[in-house]
Amino acid sequence: GAGVSQSPSNKVTEKGKDVELRCDPISGHTALYWYRQRLGQGLEFLIYFQGNSAPDKSGLPSDRFSAERTGESVSTLTIQRTQQEDSAVYLCASSRDRDYGYTFGSGTRLTVV
Amino acid sequence: EDQVTQSPEALRLQEGESSSLNCSYTVSGLRGLFWYRQDPGKGPEFLFTLYSAGEEKEKERLKATLTKKESFLHITAPKPEDSATYLCAVHVTGNTGKLIFGQGTTLQVKP
Repeated sequence: GAGVSQSPSNKVTEKGKDVELRCDPISGHTALYWYRQRLGQGLEFLIYFQGNSAPDKSGLPSDRFSAERTGESVSTLTIQRTQQEDSAVYLCASSRDRDYGYTFGSGTRLTVV
Repeated sequence: EDQVTQSPEALRLQEGESSSLNCSYTVSGLRGLFWYRQDPGKGPEFLFTLYSAGEEKEKERLKATLTKKESFLHITAPKPEDSATYLCAVHVTGNTGKLIFGQGTTLQVKP
């Protein structure tokens, strides 16, 4: 596609429920990143994919967070047993290679009530 | 520990009033420094990448410069449409490509 697409754009969920966030990167972009942006704070790195492998998962905050990627295409970020502190905007970005600038999606705003 | 600090947190300018945003960094080795613009409700939009001290890049009213310790984003004769949050990020040598972001500077330009 022309840009990075994320869905849903907004998600409200009850505490304790699981959620899945989806990212469709730009076609041909081998590198894919997930970041989290809490209100009034900077972007926090979560995970990096090169192809369908994840050489850097160091930013995942707990074992409730997981992500997978199918080939060099769609990625899904799953948060299990959501907590209120998980409320944030989750941003996905892709690039041709790790040394190139990212293109970000518009994000998924997650609200845990 | 690798760190990026942006200042000021917020900046209000009158249309046409030029100014600069600062990004200071402490990293083990710099592979590249990135500037992004973020509008409310949207993802960051790429502006510039700088790789070595002394490098400068320009785009319309924006000019980014880089030294060994900091980067400046100069805004010349800003317009209201330049209002946004400007984010600075560093790519550290040996890293997997993840960027370390500063907290951002929110710029408001009044007509």
